[in-house]
Amino acid sequence: LAKTTQPISMDSYEGQEVNITCSHNNIATNDYITWYQQFPSQGPRFIIQGYKTKVTNEVASLFIPADRKSSTLSLPRVSLSDTAVYYCLVGDTGYKLSFGAGTTVTVRA
Amino acid sequence: EAQVTQNPRYLITVTGKKLTVTCSQNMNHEYMSWYRQDPGLGLRQIYYSMNVEVTDKGDVPEGYKVSRKEKRNFPLILESPSPNQTSLYFCASSSDYSPYEQYFGPGTRLTVT
Repeated sequence: LAKTTQPISMDSYEGQEVNITCSHNNIATNDYITWYQQFPSQGPRFIIQGYKTKVTNEVASLFIPADRKSSTLSLPRVSLSDTAVYYCLVGDTGYKLSFGAGTTVTVRA
Repeated sequence: EAQVTQNPRYLITVTGKKLTVTCSQNMNHEYMSWYRQDPGLGLRQIYYSMNVEVTDKGDVPEGYKVSRKEKRNFPLILESPSPNQTSLYFCASSSDYSPYEQYFGPGTRLTVT
């Protein structure tokens, strides 16, 4: 499994866009990039997944450059309820996921 | 409602007393996994199962057993719990056509004294 590096924490304010960048320099050809969100005392929740370029859903966007050595999760116009830990995962099999420490995003009023 | 359920949600036990944490999903998912979460260590995979009767070790399998006799159930067994197994445990499942989209249960907080 490719090792990922992401910031430990980020602060933001309501209404702002939050961008979390994850580094995965040794990503393999068959690897997909997946992001999860976790609120305190709850199980993680799948946000988005991508392989290359850009993926967008109703919650977030995922930007993946051509070399795929990094990816950026973009959360548009965050609210207080977006305060959570965000995990970047890289792998070629969905059933064997490796969660790192994640990025704690704190949204302030 | 599509969901993953775990029981019990909270458990306090003593060292050496065998226990089982049950996990059940109603989505007909092929894949199921168990994770433990500890402060500063993130989520670590204990065991996973790709289908009935097919299980494999994750990153931290020592001290745990699992079985997958039915597709919907994936119990986690601690034969002789120790204090270092005090943790928050999550069960998860995902489908064969969308394996990266795992659905997590509500968690089981286990304390071993």
